[in-house]
Amino acid sequence: EAQLVESGGGLVQPGRSLRLSCEASGFRFQDYGMHWVRQAPGKGLEWVSGINWNSGNIGYAESVKGRFIISRDNAKNSLYLQMNSVTAEDTALYHCAKENHRGWFDPWGQGTLVTVSS
Amino acid sequence: EIVLTQSPAAVSLSPGERASLSCRASQNIASHLAWYQQKSGQAPRLLIYDTSNRAPGIPDRFSGSGSGTDFTLTINSLEPEDFAVYYCQQRSNWGSFGQGTKVEIK
Repeated sequence: EAQLVESGGGLVQPGRSLRLSCEASGFRFQDYGMHWVRQAPGKGLEWVSGINWNSGNIGYAESVKGRFIISRDNAKNSLYLQMNSVTAEDTALYHCAKENHRGWFDPWGQGTLVTVSS
Repeated sequence: EIVLTQSPAAVSLSPGERASLSCRASQNIASHLAWYQQKSGQAPRLLIYDTSNRAPGIPDRFSGSGSGTDFTLTINSLEPEDFAVYYCQQRSNWGSFGQGTKVEIK
């Protein structure tokens, strides 16, 4: 059974950086695209970034483009999100998600909470 | 940018009733639409993908339909565990979500 566990969240000051990690198990990580999706407190889902199996195709939401960097290490079964120049609007629960055979998000991790505040 | 608009924002129904949730895309996305269920305090779960295909383990009371710009998630005979928030998602370009529909117990 595929499992995803995020880590790296916490309290960070505006303008600083944070790196999130997502550790995958139970499936052949190197074969699947992966994504980050966030959810601000009490709000809906917002797709943040995605990366294909070999890092050859990467995309970002306009709200994070130029500030966030997605990457993966297939040898370590891990996905990352480098968050730079964070603002209060980046406060959210950050989920990683695996693509299924058709590119949809299944399953999702439970998320790691990022709070941006001075 | 493709915008997904879900309606209604919330609906109150009783167990055993049918729920019909709508998702409208700002441009043609063919059949590139999925539905997710999110219960309070839990991660979202894939229900339906490619408009009408149920994900593994999803009961057949959940069904999806539509194409182009108008899509519907139907839940026949609501069970107590179905009261949750439902999101549609498009993957015609990367991925964006609708704002969600909350299905509440009446």
